[in-house]
Amino acid sequence: ELKVEQNPLFLSMQEGKNYTIYCNYSTTSDRLYWYRQDPGKSLESLFVLLSNGAVKQEGRLMASLDTKARLSTLHITAAVHDLSATYFCAVDMSGGFKTIFGAGTRLFVKA
Amino acid sequence: NAGVTQTPKFRVLKTGQSMTLLCAQDMNHEYMYWYRQDPGMGLRLIHYSVGEGTTAKGEVPDGYNVSRLKKQNFLLGLESAAPSQTSVYFCASSRDAYNEQFFGPGTRLTVL
Repeated sequence: ELKVEQNPLFLSMQEGKNYTIYCNYSTTSDRLYWYRQDPGKSLESLFVLLSNGAVKQEGRLMASLDTKARLSTLHITAAVHDLSATYFCAVDMSGGFKTIFGAGTRLFVKA
Repeated sequence: NAGVTQTPKFRVLKTGQSMTLLCAQDMNHEYMYWYRQDPGMGLRLIHYSVGEGTTAKGEVPDGYNVSRLKKQNFLLGLESAAPSQTSVYFCASSRDAYNEQFFGPGTRLTVL
């Protein structure tokens, strides 16, 4: 059974600081996604990581995937208040079509 | 393009009542999904479809049924609602298994 764990579940940080959110998963997979959800809103896709060593960057966010370690990271550089949201990683079961989501990391950036 | 739309946005049911949630997408996506989101638990997959006329069970399918008679629509049914089905329901679609999912705005369901 595929399990996806995110760490930390809650993060409060100052503007201008850097931090990393971790996503670990329990079985083989080569497809990992990061989504953002604002309070009361739907989910928005941030990154799709499809291979070992994949790295993608958008603005102050950078995501990477290590399939051997079964680990993805979402790095936040010089955080700003607008990044306050809940971030989810999601992993597809290898060979299947089911997507398993982590519990989410609620990020609050203090001005 | 409207993307993914869901009907209704809010609904209150009494235990034992039935209802159908409608999801529609105008992106010609093959794959469609129904999730429920509960506090602290992320999203859990209820059912999914990889094409018109096909459906499959996800993580938490019990108490729900689905149908995909048309490619653009994916219906989620609750035959006999229970308080444990109080949740926010999200529909999503994707082009294939290797692309991101696009989510609808959600339906907030309360079962009394």
